[in-house]
Amino acid sequence: DTGVSQNPRHKITKRGQNVTFRCDPISEHNRLYWYRQTLGQGPEFLTYFQNEAQLEKSRLLSDRFSAERPKGSFSTLEIQRTEQGDSAMYLCASSPGVGVSNQPQHFGDGTRLSIL
Amino acid sequence: AQSVTQLDSHVSVSEGTPVLLRCNYSSSYSPSLFWYVQHPNKGLQLLLKYTSAATLVKGINGFEAEFKKSETSFHLTKPSAHMSDAAEYFCVVDFGNEKLTFGTGTRLTIIP
Repeated sequence: DTGVSQNPRHKITKRGQNVTFRCDPISEHNRLYWYRQTLGQGPEFLTYFQNEAQLEKSRLLSDRFSAERPKGSFSTLEIQRTEQGDSAMYLCASSPGVGVSNQPQHFGDGTRLSIL
Repeated sequence: AQSVTQLDSHVSVSEGTPVLLRCNYSSSYSPSLFWYVQHPNKGLQLLLKYTSAATLVKGINGFEAEFKKSETSFHLTKPSAHMSDAAEYFCVVDFGNEKLTFGTGTRLTIIP
């Protein structure tokens, strides 16, 4: 169990640029989740996948945001035309999923995005 | 409405004294409840979870929490604080809809 891995750890970019983050879940975990955490707040749910299927998206996920999990393994979160308000920590989590009830989500160390 | 409330945004205790971090939730049924800890610039680490088994749940690093349905509470305690316990603590609820709902967090400061 190598844990949830997120890359990059930090991303600094200019407003208007596109950014992409990657998350590698724990091996054989079927469910993968994305959360956003702004300074001084708890994380807020963005979206989640069951294998390659994206099953729910929060209203926080505007049309500038897109997430994929093409082969049911790693996932990417892309933000297009970044805005100042996108500055946050983006957290990825995974859990075993179907057939394993009440299993907690395991979190990565996050990607901190700073918009200049 | 389903919600989770952490009553204290900041708690300070002296090293070696007990820790109490308070959490209340609002739900029409008994959800799954968790406490996570977050150290600066790090992700979230699971401390413990309640999933309708024993009401007193023991976690890592000497922490435990008691589920009280009548009070809709899930307070986190530790008998003796250690300097390494200084961090942000989140009470988290799974209302059964596949997404976790986080409290606003409690920053725990340990006084030497």
